[in-house]
Amino acid sequence: SQQGEEDPQALSIQEGENATMNCSYKTSINNLQWYRQNSGRGLVHLILIRSNEREKHSGRLRVTLDTSKKSSSLLITASRAADTASYFCATTNAGGTSYGKLTFGQGTILTVHP
Amino acid sequence: GAGVSQTPSNKVTEKGKYVELRCDPISGHTALYWYRQSLGQGPEFLIYFQGTGAADDSGLPNDRFFAVRPEGSVSTLKIQRTERGDSAVYLCASSSQPLGGGALNFGPGTRLLVL
Repeated sequence: SQQGEEDPQALSIQEGENATMNCSYKTSINNLQWYRQNSGRGLVHLILIRSNEREKHSGRLRVTLDTSKKSSSLLITASRAADTASYFCATTNAGGTSYGKLTFGQGTILTVHP
Repeated sequence: GAGVSQTPSNKVTEKGKYVELRCDPISGHTALYWYRQSLGQGPEFLIYFQGTGAADDSGLPNDRFFAVRPEGSVSTLKIQRTERGDSAVYLCASSSQPLGGGALNFGPGTRLLVL
């Protein structure tokens, strides 16, 4: 079963615009991670935000986390055609015996037009 | 350094056959994960290892699926009596976090097609 749900399912923008993707989840988490995938093979880790953090930056990426709403957003600023990919959020559960289990959402397909 | 590698990159088999998919994690990574991904879907968790032991195998769909990691490094995912519905990309990942839960380094995947 999928923990996270991304919104929108697909996003199409022009180069230079900002792209915002959202992720909602159901259970208490230890951390939330964002990944990128090109061509349906191999995912690349982008950023990890812990449950006690509210915002994190990495280059053109900005991630926010609202644990009260069980949601996160990924903002890509000044998008480039090379940012075209699928983006997934993934969560690890807080506590329990399966601490390390990472559950992915369905993903957002981002298309950046040159 | 070397990343996660998976072999074969592609595997075509017939329904009912047995297949083995291999994963070589990044050296020293204790946590190893297997996921399965169908077209247009997110990766679906199968199993993850902490060292040699399976910490959570709740994602294995049925008893036709089995994974081992006998020496705490290389892992093999074994599928018996394959079915057409097993066709997917099988992804392996490893993590430097001993208990898992940290950032995952993914391999390129094995694309399995069951005819």
